[in-house]
Parts: sequence; C-alpha cells; structure tokens
Amino acid sequence: GAVVSQHPSRVICKSGTSVKIECRSLDFQATTMFWYRQFPKQSLMLMATSNEGSKATYEQGVEKDKFLINHASLTLSTLTVTSAHPEDSSFYICSARDAGVGGEKLFFGSGTQLSVL
Amino acid sequence: QKEVEQDPGPLSVPEGAIVSLNCTYSNSAFQYFMWYRQYSRKGPELLMYTYSSGNKEDGRFTAQVDKSSKYISLFIRDSQPSDSATYLCAGDMRFGAGTRLTVKP
Repeated sequence: GAVVSQHPSRVICKSGTSVKIECRSLDFQATTMFWYRQFPKQSLMLMATSNEGSKATYEQGVEKDKFLINHASLTLSTLTVTSAHPEDSSFYICSARDAGVGGEKLFFGSGTQLSVL
Repeated sequence: QKEVEQDPGPLSVPEGAIVSLNCTYSNSAFQYFMWYRQYSRKGPELLMYTYSSGNKEDGRFTAQVDKSSKYISLFIRDSQPSDSATYLCAGDMRFGAGTRLTVKP
C-alpha cells in the first residue's frame, strides 16, 4: 500500500514552545490530508482537513490559531502546535487521501507522541 | 448520534477462533468503507477497502457491507495472537470508536 511518513515520532517540549509535525505522502500526490488527535484508548478525533494550496478546514472546537496547518505541496502537510501546554500532550496522527485507480483510500502516518512539560 | 457506531469491546477470543467485528452507520451518502488495524501508539494500517455492498476477501480477512441496513462487518478467520489490536471501521472519512481485540494463545 501507499506510504505516508510522519515525523517526528516522539517529541518532548517545554510549555510555551511551538512544535512542528510533518506529514509526507511518499509515493502518491495527496490534495487532501487530515490531522487527527488520539487520547489513550480512545478513537481518532478529526481535527482538521488540509487542502493543498488553500486554508485548512477545522472541526468544531479546534482552535485554528493554536493548531496551524500548512499544505504547501501535494506531498507535504505540516501541523504546528503553537505555544504548547501540557493539555496539548497527545498522540497526533496524519493521513493522506489517495484518489488513485480503484477509488479513494486513506493512508495513515505512524503518529507523533507529543509530551509538553 | 455518531455517524459511525462501533462497540469498543474489549473482545477476547482464543487463538484459532473466528472473529466478527461490526459497525453501523447513519449517513446513507457514504460511498466507501474501510477497516483499519491499529497497534498501540502506532498509526492505523489499512486492512480492507470496499465501496459496494457484498463481501470482499483478502487472506484471513473478509469485509462485508450491507448498504440497505447500513451495516459493515469484518471477519477474521483462524485468528492469531498477532491480530490483537484495535480495529477501526470507517465510512468515507468518519471513524468508529474502534474495537479492542485480544487473541489469547
């Protein structure tokens, strides 16, 4: 299947700093990528939809000024957690939509565990 | 009401058992359905993908979709301890809560 690379896999930062997470589709072009947040033993919570060349669409309750999303190319989307606080500690996962032959499929990155001290 | 409902379990079965995982969905506009497997602290891995009613088989896995009743299922034959994970169903880009499965040796 298609490969989506997400980096870093783990990051520990001090409260008040900003953290950038990268999501790359390695063997297909993704006009749309998605960012999720996942708490322990809970399901994926969609945070935002990232569209190449346009502004991201955020889900209700997600602060767009805190979670900055940039989708500058067809293979790269970034999520920046600005002025991180301990309550932002979570597992963040990206996914990319592959609209190739056979229909649309969604492939996930390996996730980023963010710990804010 | 969530768009995709899935019993979170946990579900525990002995090795070799047939596992049945089920979801219901409310949005009749959903066009495609997916099953993912997620190990702890890893990204979900796409297992099965289908966009029509009926069965789709891949090795030990069979995905079943019934659009008339808005019901989707995943069957795992000859389950193995390595199948222990959380299984997520999805309709379009909306996910169920995930079912935690443990296969005991």
